[in-house]
Amino acid sequence: GEDVEQSLFLSVREGDSSVINCTYTDSSSTYLYWYKQEPGAGLQLLTYIFSNMDMKQDQRLTVLLNKKDKHLSLRIADTQTGDSAIYFCAESNADSWGKLQFGAGTQVVVTP
Amino acid sequence: DGGITQSPKYLFRKEGQNVTLSCEQNLNHDAMYWYRQDPGQGLRLIYYSQIVNDFQKGDIAEGYSVSREKKESFPLTVTSAQKNPTAFYLCASSLTGHGVGANVLTFGAGSRLTVL
Repeated sequence: GEDVEQSLFLSVREGDSSVINCTYTDSSSTYLYWYKQEPGAGLQLLTYIFSNMDMKQDQRLTVLLNKKDKHLSLRIADTQTGDSAIYFCAESNADSWGKLQFGAGTQVVVTP
Repeated sequence: DGGITQSPKYLFRKEGQNVTLSCEQNLNHDAMYWYRQDPGQGLRLIYYSQIVNDFQKGDIAEGYSVSREKKESFPLTVTSAQKNPTAFYLCASSLTGHGVGANVLTFGAGSRLTVL
């Protein structure tokens, strides 16, 4: 099957920028997503990007997509303690709507 | 407020017992999904349903069963045939079609099942 890979852990100091990276293998990916999961909770959608875009900015969040290298990143500016969570990268294509392929998640810990 | 409600939040089961996890949504979404989450692994799709009275197996359907008798409800039964059922189970829903809405999942808060 198709794979989505992420590093498992990231530690960042409060106020710094966080960058979470993700690689995927499905060349027909249409949508790429970032979801956030706080402890003991479900996932909430943070942002998504179409595969024909290179970048998307939404307040403190910047998503960069390198389609050639199949690399997706999420940058969180001015990271706060409330940003501590697990961040999941996911992808889907036009044939697999709704059936997202998720990465293992990156645990982000923000230290004062 | 619209959303997805999963119950119970915590559930303990003895080996050999079947258990049913509830998932209800009031978002008027046609599609519903069940994912399983294990530590250090991504979410894996168990079953999904695009419409009432129809559902399909996902990647890890063995040992699970579902029903979709109402648009709002998509219960998951973890049967005794599931060899390693201890996990966090997440229900989700979405629109259908080919636009981005069909790919944006709304998740419930999850149910944690522990087999004793």
